[in-house]
Amino acid sequence: DTGVSQNPRHKITKRGQNVTFRCDPISEHNRLYWYRQTLGQGPEFLTYFQNEAQLEKSRLLSDRFSAERPKGSFSTLEIQRTEQGDSAMYLCASAGPGTGELFFGEGSRLTVL
Amino acid sequence: QKEVEQNSGPLSVPEGAIASLNCTYSDRGSQSFFWYRQYSGKSPELIMSIYSNGDKEDGRFTAQLNKASQYVSLLIRDSQPSDSATYLCAVTYTGGFKTIFGAGTRLFVKA
Repeated sequence: DTGVSQNPRHKITKRGQNVTFRCDPISEHNRLYWYRQTLGQGPEFLTYFQNEAQLEKSRLLSDRFSAERPKGSFSTLEIQRTEQGDSAMYLCASAGPGTGELFFGEGSRLTVL
Repeated sequence: QKEVEQNSGPLSVPEGAIASLNCTYSDRGSQSFFWYRQYSGKSPELIMSIYSNGDKEDGRFTAQLNKASQYVSLLIRDSQPSDSATYLCAVTYTGGFKTIFGAGTRLFVKA
């Protein structure tokens, strides 16, 4: 069990560029979550998948954000036309069947200049 | 109204004391409740889960749930400086596994 893996750990980009983050969940986990966290705040729900199906996406999430989980394994989160307000830690978590207990990766920190 | 509310703190307790952390939630149908601990610069890690009314104890930690009052709490007995962290309350929504976090309560345990 290698835990939840996220890449890259840090990304610095210029405003207007696109960025993509990858998350590899714990192998037997069927659910995968994306959260965004800024300093002093709790994780903000973005979206979650059960296997390859995206079951819910936050209403607060603009159309610039998209997530995929092809074949129900790893997931990618893409942010298009980044803005300075997108600077945050992007956390991925996975959970096993029938449980809501989340296991988090170490996060991908995005800085938009 | 926020979906999961916590007092942001900081809560400061002396070493050896009991730390009490509280959380309220808005979705009356929620069935699963969790406490996560987050050290500065690290990701959240699960410390307790509770699903039914009453108390659940695990070592120095006790989670308490009152669904009628939509209230969850975490007690940390014999607090240690290593318990200093942000404690996040999380609630899973009715009918699925969407999990919402509170803003967290910062706890400082003074040696």
